[in-house]
Amino acid sequence: SQTIHQWPATLVQPVGSPLSLECTVEGTSNPNLYWYRQAAGRGLQLLFYSVGIGQISSEVPQNLSASRPQDRQFILSSKKLLLSDSGFYLCAWTLGQGRAYEQYFGPGTRLTVT
Amino acid sequence: LAKTTQPISMDSYEGQEVNITCSHNNIATNDYITWYQQFPSQGPRFIIQGYKTKVTNEVASLFIPADRKSSTLSLPRVSLSDTAVYYCLVGYPGNTGKLIFGQGTTLQVKP
Repeated sequence: SQTIHQWPATLVQPVGSPLSLECTVEGTSNPNLYWYRQAAGRGLQLLFYSVGIGQISSEVPQNLSASRPQDRQFILSSKKLLLSDSGFYLCAWTLGQGRAYEQYFGPGTRLTVT
Repeated sequence: LAKTTQPISMDSYEGQEVNITCSHNNIATNDYITWYQQFPSQGPRFIIQGYKTKVTNEVASLFIPADRKSSTLSLPRVSLSDTAVYYCLVGYPGNTGKLIFGQGTTLQVKP
């Protein structure tokens, strides 16, 4: 069966510090991968998605970036965090080819920027 | 992606059937209707997806009228553990899987 991992689970970082969140998927190959952010009391915002290694699409211009160095690895980064980057970050995967709306989410990373 | 409108919140009691309606007047021919459930501090969970008429699985039923301008998620005999936010999404699955989540409907199940 497929599983998705995210780490760390929680993170407290000062403003201006760098960020690296990692997501890995097991049990499938060539998945579509997604990064979402959910601010407190808000809906989910799609940040990035990737349909293959090295292929990244950005949905929201901001100080975040994403990379996919391996087929089942997706990394979210920032060089300098802002207070507004605080939130719940979720990674998700899906199989494309018509089933792309059936997404499976990881446990998430709670990021607090102080 | 078609814009959706759903109630912000709903209350129910244990054992009742809950129906959450989603309006999507601008749904396109190729669009599917998908529902997700989200518990606090967890990622959303796929519940059900449909194109027309009725779809049923072990968790819920999805009713879609002929004009497809709305849909209703039906949860049979809810329990306290069904308290969650329910999202209605409309769009074509395609290959990219871009999902646009709205505010969803917060369902509160009371004892």
